[in-house]
Amino acid sequence: EAQVTQNPRYLITVTGKKLTVTCSQNMNHEYMSWYRQDPGLGLRQIYYSMNVEVTDKGDVPEGYKVSRKEKRNFPLILESPSPNQTSLYFCASSPLAGARETQYFGPGTRLLVL
Amino acid sequence: LAKTTQPISMDSYEGQEVNITCSHNNIATNDYITWYQQFPSQGPRFIIQGYKTKVTNEVASLFIPADRKSSTLSLPRVSLSDTAVYYCLVGDMAGFQKLVFGTGTRLLVSP
Repeated sequence: EAQVTQNPRYLITVTGKKLTVTCSQNMNHEYMSWYRQDPGLGLRQIYYSMNVEVTDKGDVPEGYKVSRKEKRNFPLILESPSPNQTSLYFCASSPLAGARETQYFGPGTRLLVL
Repeated sequence: LAKTTQPISMDSYEGQEVNITCSHNNIATNDYITWYQQFPSQGPRFIIQGYKTKVTNEVASLFIPADRKSSTLSLPRVSLSDTAVYYCLVGDMAGFQKLVFGTGTRLLVSP
């Protein structure tokens, strides 16, 4: 089944404790991205990747890191999480870059930073 | 990427037709208009995409006037299961790689 998977689905952590949220897609897509969703603010893009080893900042990249060493994986790293990073996170992928391409979203990861 | 404006929320009743309008005054010549649907606790999913005039699929219709400065997503005879957030996205393949989804429209369908 073609899909985007994220792990973990739920995570509670404390301020400053490094964490990684994994994202994987099995559709051989070139474009992958991360979003955070907060009440009243909609979906905001954190980082995106055009292909392996090519990443760039979205609208809200502060406090996050990403890497794209393999085409299928695009982990989101929070080196020192803070409470304002408590949010619902979505990973997405599409065959190519651009708004015309259909974005396939993962199920989401709900993060609480205490 | 063209900035979009949508109503924050809409209410409807089962069986009614719902029209959600998205304003995109600075849409570029090559931009396409895409709508996504997001159910609670799920990731958004593609509904429909169009460039001009009208597009229809098994889920919805998309109406785009000649000036393309707005678009209307039409959901015929909504049911309770259509309660969701609907996002309008405008852009093209050759343009910016950054995607801006905006705040979306929260549709509540009541019995």
